[in-house]
Amino acid sequence: NAGVTQTPKFRILKIGQSMTLQCTQDMNHNYMYWYRQDPGMGLKLIYYSVGAGITDKGEVPNGYNVSRSTTEDFPLRLELAAPSQTSVYFCASSYLVEWSTDTQYFGPGTRLTVL
Amino acid sequence: RKEVEQDPGPFNVPEGATVAFNCTYSNSASQSFFWYRQDCRKEPKLLMSVYSSGNEDGRFTAQLNRASQYISLLIRDSKLSDSATYLCVVKSARRDAGGTSYGKLTFGQGTILTVHP
Repeated sequence: NAGVTQTPKFRILKIGQSMTLQCTQDMNHNYMYWYRQDPGMGLKLIYYSVGAGITDKGEVPNGYNVSRSTTEDFPLRLELAAPSQTSVYFCASSYLVEWSTDTQYFGPGTRLTVL
Repeated sequence: RKEVEQDPGPFNVPEGATVAFNCTYSNSASQSFFWYRQDCRKEPKLLMSVYSSGNEDGRFTAQLNRASQYISLLIRDSKLSDSATYLCVVKSARRDAGGTSYGKLTFGQGTILTVHP
């Protein structure tokens, strides 16, 4: 199993550009998550998905959109990039049977800079 | 007040030293507790869960005090390879729009540890 994979590893965007961060997992996990981590800070939840076709907002969803058309893929879309979106983005997945016992597995991250 | 607070450090210790990290959380309804390790420019990885009775995994010991809403991690006989950022993570139940409970992870900002020769 490759686990959770993310592309691209790095990206530089200009203000106002758009892009999609890709996330794929091959563990047949039902739950998937997007986090952002700013320098010297913990991770904050952007969006999550409980299964194909179902997504919901996390703590910091503004400026982002997601979709979940398949179990494996959970892309994150930035429509109008802003400098405040400069961050490291982590995708994670888990197989949730009962909420207290699942473990989240993280992808390697995408480093995004908006200039 | 932040939901999860950690001393950011950095902690600089020699090989073989014992070092302890502390973490406090504000949500008394929090149910599960973890320590994650994050190497420089890498993703977080689960180091260990923290149980009410305290638990040990080799050189690592985790403690939980629910009354004081306090979590700790003790590392004995530090190795160079222990150099990393240690994230305190608290899980609490949330309900999504469909009414299904999921576990929301709240991360502390991390404590930086550097072990030197």
